[in-house]
Amino acid sequence: LAKTTQPISMDSYEGQEVNITCSHNNIATNDYITWYQQFPSQGPRFIIQGYKTKVTNEVASLFIPADRKSSTLSLPRVSLSDTAVYYCLVGDIWDSGYSTLTFGKGTMLLVSP
Amino acid sequence: GAVVSQHPSRVICKSGTSVKIECRSLDFQATTMFWYRQFPKQSLMLMATSNEGSKATYEQGVEKDKFLINHASLTLSTLTVTSAHPEDSSFYICSANSRPDLMALHFGNGTRLTVT
Repeated sequence: LAKTTQPISMDSYEGQEVNITCSHNNIATNDYITWYQQFPSQGPRFIIQGYKTKVTNEVASLFIPADRKSSTLSLPRVSLSDTAVYYCLVGDIWDSGYSTLTFGKGTMLLVSP
Repeated sequence: GAVVSQHPSRVICKSGTSVKIECRSLDFQATTMFWYRQFPKQSLMLMATSNEGSKATYEQGVEKDKFLINHASLTLSTLTVTSAHPEDSSFYICSANSRPDLMALHFGNGTRLTVT
């Protein structure tokens, strides 16, 4: 199982771009990289997923270098409502339901005015 | 789209009683449903995985006789905490995926269980 390492916490201010990096040195060939956001007392919310290079959607970008041993979630112009815990997951889910996805400790992002 | 509804959102029960938590995929048919437990200020821990019509697969250390999972249909899975004790108090969260993007997990809003 691919283990992930993220900073425990990050601080930012409204309007800034925030980049959260996740290390996953033993990522397997079939593994995907997925990021989730969790607010207190709520279930996580899917943000973005990628395999290699760059992926962008309406809320974030995901940068993955060629060796895939790390990934960076980029949140453009954060607001107070982006204060949450962000989880980087690396793994795969089979059709049978077998999963190698494991939630790490996550990064607590605090956005201040 | 891809909404997962979890009920109840919070429950308080007495020690020794059983509690059932429902997880429904409202607008899609779930391929697999996953059950997690989360203690305060900690990460999510996978408890078990279930596919419709099959027995659930439990993670190591999770007692299958204590945490009964029933996955009767493509849109409903239930977790029953049997003979609950205070140490079972936690935040229980379900998630579901569906084809073609099995990697995108859709989570319910969790159930806060307090055992007194």
